[in-house]
Parts: sequence; structure tokens; C-alpha cells
Amino acid sequence: DAKTTQPNSMESNEEEPVHLPCNHSTISGTDYIHWYRQLPSQGPEYVIHGLTSNVNNRMASLAIAEDRKSSTLILHRATLRDAAVYYCILRDYQGAQKLVFGQGTRLTINP
Amino acid sequence: EPEVTQTPSHQVTQMGQEVILRCVPISNHLYFYWYRQILGQKVEFLVSFYNNEISEKSEIFDDQFSVERPDGSNFTLKIRSTKLEDSAMYFCASSDQTGGREKLFFGSGTQLSVL
Repeated sequence: DAKTTQPNSMESNEEEPVHLPCNHSTISGTDYIHWYRQLPSQGPEYVIHGLTSNVNNRMASLAIAEDRKSSTLILHRATLRDAAVYYCILRDYQGAQKLVFGQGTRLTINP
Repeated sequence: EPEVTQTPSHQVTQMGQEVILRCVPISNHLYFYWYRQILGQKVEFLVSFYNNEISEKSEIFDDQFSVERPDGSNFTLKIRSTKLEDSAMYFCASSDQTGGREKLFFGSGTQLSVL
């Protein structure tokens, strides 16, 4: 799977939007962009995924650059419960089934 | 929402003992996975399982490890002779499809402590 680069940590305030960046300059045409998060003492949790177009769901939005070399996970109104490690992962539809987790971005939310 | 269930939540064992970690995946899922996370480190892939066979395994998944789906609901990870370095949180996951778009659903994990 192609590599992603994320900041080690970010901090935001409660009820403000959060933009979590991810660079994936070697992305291939068959790679889906997935985001998972891991709350403290929990297993990873699916957040959102996309291929080319921006995506919205009840948890977050995913903005994908036109050249697909970067993407941004957007939490529209962060709560304390959103404090977690966020992982940006590329999934090749032709490739192996496993998810490969990097170090992710540790998001801290200030009250 | 359906969830993946793991038991026990904590397991303490002596070095050299066998342990079996249990998972009940989501009922209509066909693809099953084990991951582990050593304290303070990344989540690491161990093994994937489909159609009663191992699909893929990592270098970590050596001969001391085995997986089994003994009935229609459980998925187990056995460590034959535990070592101190096997101490970690072990996560089971399942999905209903493969092909890049699938969501993996993870359990809350079993914390294994080898003394």
C-alpha cells in the first residue's frame, strides 16, 4: 500500500472545526483513501472513505485534492469525544485485504 | 449498530502458557482479521482469514500463532507458548467484503499480559 504522511499531533478547541491533513503523493489510481480513528483504550473505528470526490457522512467530511495527492478530514464541530488518534490509510482495491496503520495524528480537543 | 465482541477483555498468563483469545465477528461478515498494538506503538496487522483459510499473514504471525473459526460465530487466535513480548492489546476485526471500499469493524480488544 502507498504511504501517507500526517502530522504527529494537532490541537483544537471544542465546538470549532478541525481540519486533519494527509499527504499521499504516491497514490495510485486504484487507491481508496480511508480514515479511521482510535479513541483512548478502544479499537480503531471507521470514519469515512473516498476515491475522487468529496464525501460527507454523519461523522465527518473528506475533502480530496483534485490531483488526489492529499486529502483533509474535516470534523465540523469538534467535541471532547473526538479526541483520538486519526489514521489516514490508502486501500488498493486490487491489493491485499489488510489495513496498514501508520502513526496517525493525535488530536487533542480543549474544552 | 452491530459490533465485534472480544473476550476476555483482560488476560494475564505466565510465560510459556497457551492462550486463546476469542472474537465474535458481525454475523454476516466473511472476512476476519487479528491485529495487535503494543503499548505506545502502532496497530500492527497479524493475519486475515477468509473461507476457512488464512488469506495473508505478517512476519509477526509465526508458528506460535494460529487462528480458527471453530463454528459459525467464533473466531479465535491461539498463542501456543507465550513470550513476554506477546504482551499487547489484541484486536479482532471483520468486514463483509473486500476490494478497497470495505469498512473494517474492530472489537474493543483483549489486553494480554505475559508475566
